[in-house]
Amino acid sequence: ETGVTQSPTHLIKTRGQQVTLRCSSQSGHNTVSWYQQALGQGPQFIFQYYREEENGRGNFPPRFSGLQFPNYSSELNVNALELDDSALYLCASGGGLAGRGAYNEQFFGPGTRLTVL
Amino acid sequence: TQLLEQSPQFLSIQEGENLTVYCNSSSVFSSLQWYRQEPGEGPVLLVTVVTGGEVKKLKRLTFQFGDARKDSSLHITAAQPGDTGLYLCAGGVRSQGNLIFGKGTKLSVKP
Repeated sequence: ETGVTQSPTHLIKTRGQQVTLRCSSQSGHNTVSWYQQALGQGPQFIFQYYREEENGRGNFPPRFSGLQFPNYSSELNVNALELDDSALYLCASGGGLAGRGAYNEQFFGPGTRLTVL
Repeated sequence: TQLLEQSPQFLSIQEGENLTVYCNSSSVFSSLQWYRQEPGEGPVLLVTVVTGGEVKKLKRLTFQFGDARKDSSLHITAAQPGDTGLYLCAGGVRSQGNLIFGKGTKLSVKP
């Protein structure tokens, strides 16, 4: 069984630039969620996708956007980068409608470390 | 706003000691998960508890879900250096797709 993979591993951008992060879900899962984890904090929910549509969003501005593709891979796009966007970005996949079922179990990728200068 | 408070925030112990980490909320969750995270890596799921009062054991780790499904604890017996890491609890709500995480407990076990 293939786990969740993310690319790139590390990324350095400057303020005002745009970035795209990529994720491939775990085999057999059809929801994908994105989380932002600042240093010393727990992960914060950005949004979740199911059947290529956004299925819930956390308290993040519209410059954070995403896509889910038919093969359940996903992208996170962040426009107009700010210094506070520096964080570990985590992708997590779950089976069925994670969150609609009883368990909300999600399985995380290794993350992309984004540094904004 | 649903929040999960974890305590302690930091814990440094000697190999062989026992420890307990707590995860508390004023909100009810349909499930509670515990993850362990190494520096620079993603969280790895340790256990999911879904029934109030449920106790699950994973080798030297014991997880308990509170009767009211608002709190949980993780107990480690005879800690080993390999247990070092960030322990995160995360609550799930049946009607929502996301997990709500605590800030984590950073555990260091010294040989």
